[in-house]
Amino acid sequence: KAGVTQTPRYLIKTRGQQVTLSCSPISGHRSVSWYQQTPGQGLQFLFEYFSETQRNKGNFPGRFSGRQFSNSRSEMNVSTLELGDSALYLCASSLYPGREQFFGPGTRLTVL
Amino acid sequence: AQTVTQSQPEMSVQEAETVTLSCTYDTSENNYYLFWYKQPPSRQMILVIRQEAYKQQNATENRFSVNFQKAAKSFSLKISDSQLGDTAMYFCAFMKHEETSGSRLTFGEGTQLTVNP
Repeated sequence: KAGVTQTPRYLIKTRGQQVTLSCSPISGHRSVSWYQQTPGQGLQFLFEYFSETQRNKGNFPGRFSGRQFSNSRSEMNVSTLELGDSALYLCASSLYPGREQFFGPGTRLTVL
Repeated sequence: AQTVTQSQPEMSVQEAETVTLSCTYDTSENNYYLFWYKQPPSRQMILVIRQEAYKQQNATENRFSVNFQKAAKSFSLKISDSQLGDTAMYFCAFMKHEETSGSRLTFGEGTQLTVNP
């Protein structure tokens, strides 16, 4: 069974731009969560989607948003990029909310 | 709110030896999961082992085992017969055991483990 896939793997943007990251969960998994990893803040929860609905949201500004499609694939969007948004963005999928999560390889976002 | 603390930023061990990584957590919840994830230089986060809080028996997965002390809120990871491929950052993580609360993982700061030949 294929693992979690994330595209693109690397991205370079400039301040003020917006970006969309994509995540395809493991087949049969219906819950997708997003995390931001930075050297300073560590791993922080962004949000979780299940059945096309956002169930949980972390403490991030409204510039960070996401959605989930009927096939469970998810996208996250960051608008008006800031230098501090440079990070590794990890997507994780689970069968249902509250079950163990399996992570994708991440998208490395660099904001110049 | 839950917190997870890993007090050892770095550790090293000789190949074939045993090493224990520490983790403590703070929560008022009674039902929860605890996990250890490893993140090698590739940055791929890999699930190593999980423990359900209601289970008294410590989880084991091949060379990996945990020492779960619920009253002390301690969850250490023991790696036996360490291999070079075990070199990675190890994260301890907490998750409430309720479908309604979702899948939010709270991570510790991580312990960088280096296995030396």
